[in-house]
Amino acid sequence: NAGVTQTPKFRVLKTGQSMTLLCAQDMNHEYMYWYRQDPGMGLRLIHYSVGEGTTAKGEVPDGYNVSRLKKQNFLLGLESAAPSQTSVYFCASADWSTDTQYFGPGTRLTVL
Amino acid sequence: SQQGEEDPQALSIQEGENATMNCSYKTSINNLQWYRQNSGRGLVHLILIRSNEREKHSGRLRVTLDTSKKSSSLLITASRAADTASYFCATDRTGGGNKLTFGTGTQLKVEL
Repeated sequence: NAGVTQTPKFRVLKTGQSMTLLCAQDMNHEYMYWYRQDPGMGLRLIHYSVGEGTTAKGEVPDGYNVSRLKKQNFLLGLESAAPSQTSVYFCASADWSTDTQYFGPGTRLTVL
Repeated sequence: SQQGEEDPQALSIQEGENATMNCSYKTSINNLQWYRQNSGRGLVHLILIRSNEREKHSGRLRVTLDTSKKSSSLLITASRAADTASYFCATDRTGGGNKLTFGTGTQLKVEL
């Protein structure tokens, strides 16, 4: 059981470039989430999904898009990266029978 | 906006001492959870307390919840150097739709 995995681990982008972050989980969870973590601010929810083919906006969705084509994968896209999107991004999946979220190791993104 | 605010922001203690962290929140909740984050890693679920519970134990962890004051505390007894990490409270708000709102965290340092 790998749990929740994220790729890549690190990435440096130039302003205006695009990229996709991949999250995969092997626990058959329905719910998946993307967060960003900035110094002193805790985690903020970007987008989430309650099942395959569904997505919804979280607290800070602007500048990001997501897709959940397969139950085990949740993709986060940045269409035109901005320095304000420099952050550490965490993916999580949830087993709501136990109300517990399981987190990936994170992706550190720097936008120059 | 952050639902939970932890206090203190940082805490430094000696190994063997107890560590207490507090969390305050703003709206009614279904449950409140505590997570730990080691430096550079993803979050790990520690313990969950439901809105109809007042106290819960798990190993060296003790969590209390006072819904009238909208606050919770996490006590780590007999701390160890390995407990050095950031600790976050997260609330599952009533009607929030299976999403967690995280606080800003308490950085705990346990010194030998």
